[in-house]
Order: sequence, then C-alpha cells, then structure tokens
Amino acid sequence: QQQVKQSPQSLIVQKGGISIINCAYENTAFDYFPWYQQFPGKGPALLIAIRPDVSEKKEGRFTISFNKSAKQFSLHIMDSQPGDSATYFCAASINSGYALNFGKGTSLLVTP
Amino acid sequence: EAGVAQSPRYKIIEKRQSVAFWCNPISGHATLYWYQQILGQGPKLLIQFQNNGVVDDSQLPKDRFSAERLKGVDSTLKIQPAKLEDSAVYLCASSLGQGNEQFFGPGTRLTVL
Repeated sequence: QQQVKQSPQSLIVQKGGISIINCAYENTAFDYFPWYQQFPGKGPALLIAIRPDVSEKKEGRFTISFNKSAKQFSLHIMDSQPGDSATYFCAASINSGYALNFGKGTSLLVTP
Repeated sequence: EAGVAQSPRYKIIEKRQSVAFWCNPISGHATLYWYQQILGQGPKLLIQFQNNGVVDDSQLPKDRFSAERLKGVDSTLKIQPAKLEDSAVYLCASSLGQGNEQFFGPGTRLTVL
C-alpha cells in the first residue's frame, strides 16, 4: 500500500516558470517530510525537508508548503531551469532516521 | 568527503541464478539502509542496520533475500534465487545515526532475464 501519494507523474515547465509537485499522506505519525532529487544513473539526493511544526520552508528557489490538517505537502521550484530537469520524490517517515516511505516520483522537464 | 560506494553498477543474470551487491557507507555512518527501486517507482526499504544489528527487515523477502553488515561497516545484499520481478535498482544509503539525513549511493541496476 502506497503510504505517500505523489502527483503529477510528469511535468513540463518552461524555463523561468514555477514547477509544483504535490504529495499526500495518511499516517499521522509521520513527522519528517523530505524531497529528493534524482538524476539518471544517480542515487536520490536530499533537496529540502520539513517537519510539521512549520507550514513553509524555503531554501533558494525551492519551497516546501505543508498543510498538516489536509495531510498534504508540496514542492515549489521557482524560476525553473533546464538543470532542474530530474525526477523528484517526496517521502515521509517517523523521524528522519527511519525508513523513508517514498512517493512514485515526478519526472520534471524544464524546456529552454 | 567520499560518498556511499556501491558495486557492481550493473548486473545481468538469468532467473534462478544468485547475485550479490556490495555497499561501503560513508565513513563513520552507523546506520545503513538497502532500498529497492523498481522502474517508475520510488525506492522501497528492504532492510536497515544500526551498526551490525538489524533494525527493520519487515519488507525483506527473506525466502530469497539476505543481507549482512559484518563489523558494522560494509554490507552485502544477496538474492538467491533471483526472479524476473527482482529487476530493479538496488540503492544503499547511510546516515550518521537514526535521526540523521540519509545519503544514497549510485545504485546497482539488476536485470533478471
């Protein structure tokens, strides 16, 4: 059973646009919500993470928005660049050191 | 700082054969994870070690998969015998300890024919 549901499956954005990826979860015990970026042939790399005590976290062009009551969180990539083209995974866990439950991923293509 | 190392990077075997993957975590990282990533899906945890002890192996198909982490450093994951549905990328990750960021290796892509 997929514990974290991610959408859309794929996304095409023009350079300079905003990329938005959404995730939803059911397990209210989750308290750590990271986003990973994965390039072909590479392992996932942590991009940004949030805990449910805040509703938003921003790092550079990347922002996580978190809605605890709706059990949803999203990744916003501002001023998207072709170099951002990759697969993005949301995940959730009970504390960052335990098993990460990943979404199915979103393939992002940023066109020049 | 060197990252998580995995070998081999690619492996092709026939069904019912055996295969083993090796992982060398980041130096000093006590926690080690093996994930299975099937094409088009997110990684799924197979097993988690804390030093050389197993923390979670609830999703490891124990009839065919085994893993060990001798001396609390390197780890091997074995599949015996392999099935077609085992075709996937096997990712190793490590962290300083439980509660710390997980760093992933490049993975081993397994194709079972």
